Amino acid sequence: AQSVTQPDIHITVSEGASLELRCNYSYGATPYLFWYVQSPGQGLQLLLKYFSGDTLVQGIKGFEAEFKRSQSSFNLRKPSVHWSDAAEYFCAVGGTGGSYIPTFGRGTSLIVHP
Amino acid sequence: KAGVTQTPRYLIKTRGQQVTLSCSPISGHRSVSWYQQTPGQGLQFLFEYFSETQRNKGNFPGRFSGRQFSNSRSEMNVSTLELGDSALYLCASSLSLAPTNTGELFFGEGSRLTVL
Repeated sequence: AQSVTQPDIHITVSEGASLELRCNYSYGATPYLFWYVQSPGQGLQLLLKYFSGDTLVQGIKGFEAEFKRSQSSFNLRKPSVHWSDAAEYFCAVGGTGGSYIPTFGRGTSLIVHP
Repeated sequence: KAGVTQTPRYLIKTRGQQVTLSCSPISGHRSVSWYQQTPGQGLQFLFEYFSETQRNKGNFPGRFSGRQFSNSRSEMNVSTLELGDSALYLCASSLSLAPTNTGELFFGEGSRLTVL
């Protein structure tokens, strides 16, 4: 069964600082990996996705993520955080087998200090 | 292209009542999934409908049900509401066309249900 672990429940950074949110997955084959962001009171919005090819993927709002198969990780990064980045971030893993239903991590809440 | 639309956005019910939530997917999307989001449990998958058929189901009691219409719009129903059903209910649509299906979801803003 597929699973996702986001080890950090909360992350606090200062505006302008760099950010890295961790995501580890378990999946038996080549995974499809996603990062979604949820602002308060809103639904989830796709930030970026990895299907195949280049292991460093670029997303919206200046985010990027790197797929590391050897570490079963797909960490999200941003070089300089803006106050508007404060939100909940979800990592998800899906795949071509079975039901195609992605599994979500529990989320990491990002707090940005001015 | 219009996004996923969920109605109502907010509602308050009392224990024992039932509720129906509606979801209109992105035009052309045939798959609709429903998730329950609570602070304690995170995002929990309820069920997925594709071409009017329930294709996948999560681990929820039979009080939670859904359906999909021929225009891909979907509804979910919760009967005999309990306090623990208070949550944000999210609908997501996808193209879901094998073999290129990737599981990428497009979410609505959710329906916030409060059970008193």
